[in-house]
Amino acid sequence: GAVVSQHPSRVICKSGTSVKIECRSLDFQATTMFWYRQFPKQSLMLMATSNEGSKATYEQGVEKDKFLINHASLTLSTLTVASAHPEDSSFYICSARAGGAKNIQYFGAGTRLSVL
Amino acid sequence: AQSVAQPEDQVNVAEGNPLTVKCTYSVSGNPYLFWYVQYPNRGLQFLLKYITGDNLVKGSYGFEAEFNKSQTSFHLKKPSALVSDSALYFCAVRDTGGGNKLTFGTGTQLKVEL
Repeated sequence: GAVVSQHPSRVICKSGTSVKIECRSLDFQATTMFWYRQFPKQSLMLMATSNEGSKATYEQGVEKDKFLINHASLTLSTLTVASAHPEDSSFYICSARAGGAKNIQYFGAGTRLSVL
Repeated sequence: AQSVAQPEDQVNVAEGNPLTVKCTYSVSGNPYLFWYVQYPNRGLQFLLKYITGDNLVKGSYGFEAEFNKSQTSFHLKKPSALVSDSALYFCAVRDTGGGNKLTFGTGTQLKVEL
């Protein structure tokens, strides 16, 4: 299957710092990218959907000024957690899809964020 | 609104026995259905999908799933389980009636024991 690379795999930071997570589709052009958050022993919660070159669409309850998403090219999307706080600690997973809704979403390996 | 239900938090099965992980869905249009597997501290790996056509879908690692429209189900099956199949399994649906969103079930932890 297609490969989605997500970096870093783990981040430990102090409260108040900003953290950037990168998501790259290595062997396909991702017209749509998705960012999820997963709490322990729970399902994936969609945070936002982004199409290349346009603003991200955020799910209800997700602060767009807190979770900044940039989808600058067909192979790269970034999620920046602005001024992270301990409650932002979580497992963040990106996903990418080429083309339309019939196609498979491929997932990155996830980023474990721990805010002290 | 679309939704997915995975009624079992955990399924235990002995190695070599058949396994079934249950999934039911609700959509307003026709469904696109997917199964993913997640190993600890990793992202999700795609197993198989149903878009249209044959109700029995075969996927990676010997897994298969059967789409049943009347029961709105898409159960994941494997004839002979392996210890290495132990992981967290997610069923997901996308509604062809509109929307770009893939909705996931709550996941089922599969434990295969010797």
